[in-house]
Amino acid sequence: DTGVSQNPRHKITKRGQNVTFRCDPISEHNRLYWYRQTLGQGPEFLTYFQNEAQLEKSRLLSDRFSAERPKGSFSTLEIQRTEQGDSAMYLCASSLPGQLYTQYFGPGTRLTVL
Amino acid sequence: EDKVVQSPLSLVVHEGDTVTLNCSYEVTNFRSLLWYKQEKKAPTFLFMLTSSGIEKKSGRLSSILDKKELFSILNITATQTGDSAIYLCAVEESFTGTASKLTFGTGTRLQVTL
Repeated sequence: DTGVSQNPRHKITKRGQNVTFRCDPISEHNRLYWYRQTLGQGPEFLTYFQNEAQLEKSRLLSDRFSAERPKGSFSTLEIQRTEQGDSAMYLCASSLPGQLYTQYFGPGTRLTVL
Repeated sequence: EDKVVQSPLSLVVHEGDTVTLNCSYEVTNFRSLLWYKQEKKAPTFLFMLTSSGIEKKSGRLSSILDKKELFSILNITATQTGDSAIYLCAVEESFTGTASKLTFGTGTRLQVTL
């Protein structure tokens, strides 16, 4: 499978715990994006990497959220001290550089905070 | 604030009907408009539109963009039950050099019945 992959696919955690999600983009894609999607809404942009550099962060990304892409390949998104409002689908997307290439999405990680 | 508005929010049609989904937008640094189909998983790419008046077509689906009036439509002819999904409109905005992010609408939920 050469698409974007995400792990885990589902995560249930108790409020206050830390969670970490992983995204493996399509191999030749140097751009990587994280989005969050809640029920009945479209995905909302969280952050963007070009290679290993995090170039843009949304105001939605509070101090409890941190994302890394240390070697410019896979990325991790960590949420510390989870809250019930963090329950959502976390989507990762990747793309080639340039204006002509669109973003392709992974299957997402569904987080439920109890 | 940048926004993308889709209408209708939901739609129920009979198999064989033709449907038109609408997307209007107000964004600062428009680059392109994209349509995605989302079933019970991540969004899958349908179309990218960058120029006004040029119809993109893929089988029974087609889409067109009007950059003057800031809207796009997605048409589906001879609908089938497999077309049942949420159709997401997203506008690509540039923010850092050639980098970009997607701003999504809330989607149109289409249900095709027998």
